Amino acid sequence: EAGVAQSPRYKIIEKRQSVAFWCNPISGHATLYWYQQILGQGPKLLIQFQNNGVVDDSQLPKDRFSAERLKGVDSTLKIQPAKLEDSAVYLCASSRRGAGNTIYFGEGSWLTVV
Amino acid sequence: SQQGEEDPQALSIQEGENATMNCSYKTSINNLQWYRQNSGRGLVHLILIRSNEREKHSGRLRVTLDTSKKSSSLLITASRAADTASYFCATGGVTGGGNKLTFGTGTQLKVEL
Repeated sequence: EAGVAQSPRYKIIEKRQSVAFWCNPISGHATLYWYQQILGQGPKLLIQFQNNGVVDDSQLPKDRFSAERLKGVDSTLKIQPAKLEDSAVYLCASSRRGAGNTIYFGEGSWLTVV
Repeated sequence: SQQGEEDPQALSIQEGENATMNCSYKTSINNLQWYRQNSGRGLVHLILIRSNEREKHSGRLRVTLDTSKKSSSLLITASRAADTASYFCATGGVTGGGNKLTFGTGTQLKVEL
């Protein structure tokens, strides 16, 4: 089966600009996640969707980050305005509904804010 | 916040040797998963062990889980240069019917020829 697709793979923007990342999960996966991974650290969950509803967004900086999953399939993560500390890899992942299921990750979108 | 702490942070071994990485966590879990990440790539799922399991094998991988000590270990036997990567443990809880993973800080493994 096809994996989790993400785009763009790489993006360089200036601080205060905006950027959007797109994710297409594995077909049939109800749960979709966005993680942020800063260089040298483990991934940190930003937001988790179950179908098109938000399950957990407790670590999402809501003053500048937003995410949506319309129709319960694709998702977009937006940052506006970007700060230097937002430089990171943004990983999208998906899994089947329910606890204990394997979570599959995409290749990530690499963001550099200059 | 990070849930798990991997130990060691970095490990360098010769090809053919075994590599052992440890993970400690703080809260109760539903499951624990190990992932590999090659430089510049996404995370690849290696193995999942549930909270009621003590040991699991997959190819050259062996994972143990001790819930009383809140710790897990990943053993890679007969390592190869291609095993060079960062390895992360992630603890799985239950959030609204879905799975939520909290990652540790990772172990960087280097396997030299």
